[in-house]
Amino acid sequence: AQKITQTQPGMFVQEKEAVTLDCTYDTSDPSYGLFWYKQPSSGEMIFLIYQGSYDQQNATEGRYSLNFQKARKSANLVISASQLGDSAMYFCAMRDLTGKLIFGQGTTLQVKP
Amino acid sequence: SQTIHQWPATLVQPVGSPLSLECTVEGTSNPNLYWYRQAAGRGLQLLFYSVGIGQISSEVPQNLSASRPQDRQFILSSKKLLLSDSGFYLCAWSAPGGSSYNEQFFGPGTRLTVL
Repeated sequence: AQKITQTQPGMFVQEKEAVTLDCTYDTSDPSYGLFWYKQPSSGEMIFLIYQGSYDQQNATEGRYSLNFQKARKSANLVISASQLGDSAMYFCAMRDLTGKLIFGQGTTLQVKP
Repeated sequence: SQTIHQWPATLVQPVGSPLSLECTVEGTSNPNLYWYRQAAGRGLQLLFYSVGIGQISSEVPQNLSASRPQDRQFILSSKKLLLSDSGFYLCAWSAPGGSSYNEQFFGPGTRLTVL
């Protein structure tokens, strides 16, 4: 069965420092996509970054980068130069061939000034 | 550009009452549509998804149902709400087709409290 695991319920980071949010996944599909979403207190889900299973390079989007280690089945999100506005809940998700997204339990990130 | 709407934004309903949440998408055709539920402080659970009008797949057996009467309209319903139905309901859409890239775009959500 497909599964996404986020083992960090909560994280703290000092403003302007980098932080890594962990995500491991389990699937037997050869083709899949990995996503990270940010959910601020308002509740909206904001897409951050995507990594395809066949992508050779790690995805980057501005201050967000995805550390994709296929053999380890991990897809950690790295946020560089944290800002106060980065405080939110972060979800890792995997999309299978049917199009469904499977979400992890999320990690709450708090950025300290 | 595409936009997704959900209403109502918040809802407080008594146990045993009916429910109807609506989701509409603009600016795209034949989208895949999804209903998720999020319990407080938890991840998202996929409830239903639809790849076309009248085509609904249920992921979790429960007292909720979904319908897609029009191409860009997705409705979540219940005949009798339970306390456990409380949560944050999110609708999402993605481009048609099964590409594993297709990002899902989420609506603003409906916060449902069943008393």
